[in-house]
Amino acid sequence: DVKVTQSSRYLVKRTGEKVFLECVQDMDHENMFWYRQDPGLGLRLIYFSYDVKMKEKGDIPEGYSVSREKKERFSLILESASTNQTSMYLCASSFGQGFGYGYTFGSGTRLTVV
Amino acid sequence: GDSVTQMEGPVTLSEEAFLTINCTYTATGYPSLFWYVQYPGEGLQLLLKATKADDKGSNKGFEATYRKETTSFHLEKGSVQVSDSAVYFCALVFSGGYNKLIFGAGTRLAVHP
Repeated sequence: DVKVTQSSRYLVKRTGEKVFLECVQDMDHENMFWYRQDPGLGLRLIYFSYDVKMKEKGDIPEGYSVSREKKERFSLILESASTNQTSMYLCASSFGQGFGYGYTFGSGTRLTVV
Repeated sequence: GDSVTQMEGPVTLSEEAFLTINCTYTATGYPSLFWYVQYPGEGLQLLLKATKADDKGSNKGFEATYRKETTSFHLEKGSVQVSDSAVYFCALVFSGGYNKLIFGAGTRLAVHP
């Protein structure tokens, strides 16, 4: 069964900490994405990557960075965690370019910053 | 820019009721359209999709038809079950460049016995 695996389901961090959220996919997908999900706001794209070492800003990149050193792994980094980054974080991957291809999502990481 | 608008929830239904969740979109060109479902505590799963006008996507008793003339992709199910309680997201693929999905805000469905 194909999978996108996020390393943690729940995470509690302190304000100012550097936080790493890890995502691994086993489908050899080119594209990977990080979203955050907040009540009433739906899903908002933070960053995405369409190739190893490539990254593009999404709609809300401020306060975040990403790393993609290998095709299967896409990491989201909170440089200095703040309470307004408390959220559900979802990783996804997809195949190729163009239309018609859906995403495969991980189960999410619920991050609480205290 | 491209966008997706869904009806606000929550939608509350009794078991075996008919379900409609409205979705309309604004996009340049002709995107592919998707419905995703998120069960409590889980990530999103692809429910169904349609890649061109008049296509009907279907899965698990759910259906949606790609209506170009009304720019809509409404989700329907004839008889809902308690197990259908979830959040439903309508989405479209970015019309140019790389494969980037644009989501609606999501609609929560609660089905009671």
